[in-house]
Amino acid sequence: EAQVTQNPRYLITVTGKKLTVTCSQNMNHEYMSWYRQDPGLGLRQIYYSMNVEVTDKGDVPEGYKVSRKEKRNFPLILESPSPNQTSLYFCASSPDRGRLETQYFGPGTRLLVL
Amino acid sequence: QKEVEQNSGPLSVPEGAIASLNCTYSDRGSQSFFWYRQYSGKSPELIMFIYSNGDKEDGRFTAQLNKASQYVSLLIRDSQPSDSATYLCAVGYGSASKIIFGSGTRLSIRP
Repeated sequence: EAQVTQNPRYLITVTGKKLTVTCSQNMNHEYMSWYRQDPGLGLRQIYYSMNVEVTDKGDVPEGYKVSRKEKRNFPLILESPSPNQTSLYFCASSPDRGRLETQYFGPGTRLLVL
Repeated sequence: QKEVEQNSGPLSVPEGAIASLNCTYSDRGSQSFFWYRQYSGKSPELIMFIYSNGDKEDGRFTAQLNKASQYVSLLIRDSQPSDSATYLCAVGYGSASKIIFGSGTRLSIRP
């Protein structure tokens, strides 16, 4: 089954404690992306990757890091989480950057930073 | 600052009627336009995309794009209670590498 998986699905942490949210896809997609969703603000793109070792900033990259060492994985790293990073996070993938109409979303990770 | 604007709603429509959702965008260079449906607590689901001016129909859904006026709309015919959700408008630019979402319109279909 074609899917994008995220782990963990729910996470409560404290300010400053480094965390990683994993994202994996089994469709051999080149393009992957991270979004955060906050009430009243819709989804905002954090980072995206057009292929292995190729990443670029979206609209709200501050406080986040990503890496793309393998095609299937695109982890989101919060080196020093702060309460304003409390949000619902979605990972997504598509075959390539020009085909966002085939973008698959993961189930989401709900993060609470205390 | 590129922006995508939507009325947050809620938009209440009787069952069987046409629901009309609108979206405006600021970047004239935008190339691709999407409508997603999102149920509470779930991930967004693409329901329509459109690249060219005019109308595009798929079942009960019609997307309309007017690049000169910088707006895109979604019509849902014969609205059903299962259409009750938040609808997100999204615009792609930068060789379709980047995408900006509107804040969403909450649609409620009343029986």
